[in-house]
Amino acid sequence: SAVISQKPSRDICQRGTSLTIQCQVDSQVTMMFWYRQQPGQSLTLIATANQGSEATYESGFVIDKFPISRPNLTFSTLTVSNMSPEDSSIYLCSHRGGGFDNEQFFGPGTRLTVL
Amino acid sequence: ELKVEQNPLFLSMQEGKNYTIYCNYSTTSDRLYWYRQDPGKSLESLFVLLSNGAVKQEGRLMASLDTKARLSTLHITAAVHDLSATYFCAVDSGAGSYQLTFGKGTKLSVIP
Repeated sequence: SAVISQKPSRDICQRGTSLTIQCQVDSQVTMMFWYRQQPGQSLTLIATANQGSEATYESGFVIDKFPISRPNLTFSTLTVSNMSPEDSSIYLCSHRGGGFDNEQFFGPGTRLTVL
Repeated sequence: ELKVEQNPLFLSMQEGKNYTIYCNYSTTSDRLYWYRQDPGKSLESLFVLLSNGAVKQEGRLMASLDTKARLSTLHITAAVHDLSATYFCAVDSGAGSYQLTFGKGTKLSVIP
């Protein structure tokens, strides 16, 4: 499986500001995903990011709030815009492995606290 | 809309005991995944189950899938403290989307 890294690992931000999270994979992957894990909760898919096309957002998530870039097959960014305390979560990127079972692997996550 | 239900959500068990975590899902799916998450950490992939009757084992953990019942189980044998973690099942939405819908997770505490 490709190794996934995320930056920053954690951040504390003020209300109304924006934060861009970077996700780097050490080999080319077709599909990358962004998930949110609110405190003590499960994971919810935000969007699917494919290179060369617009990200596909899940119900309840919009591009203005969570713009995503996917400039190449190894990199993606997620921006959390105009943050409020409700955005405090762990944000994880993942990719689909190329094997038969399409195993999905997750990055280490970005722990975001909004004051 | 695909729904995934796990139970129990909390499980406290003594070392050496056996127990099973259940994962039910609401619509047909191609794949079911089990993950482990330690506090403050990311998700570690445990199993991918692809077909009806699939059974996979790793150490003290064994996962199975019954696609007709839309049920997967994660069985823990002779639990040890190191298995303490939160376990999630996740179901692929299908149709080539590879988008995962997660259960709420089962927080397992193994007491020495």
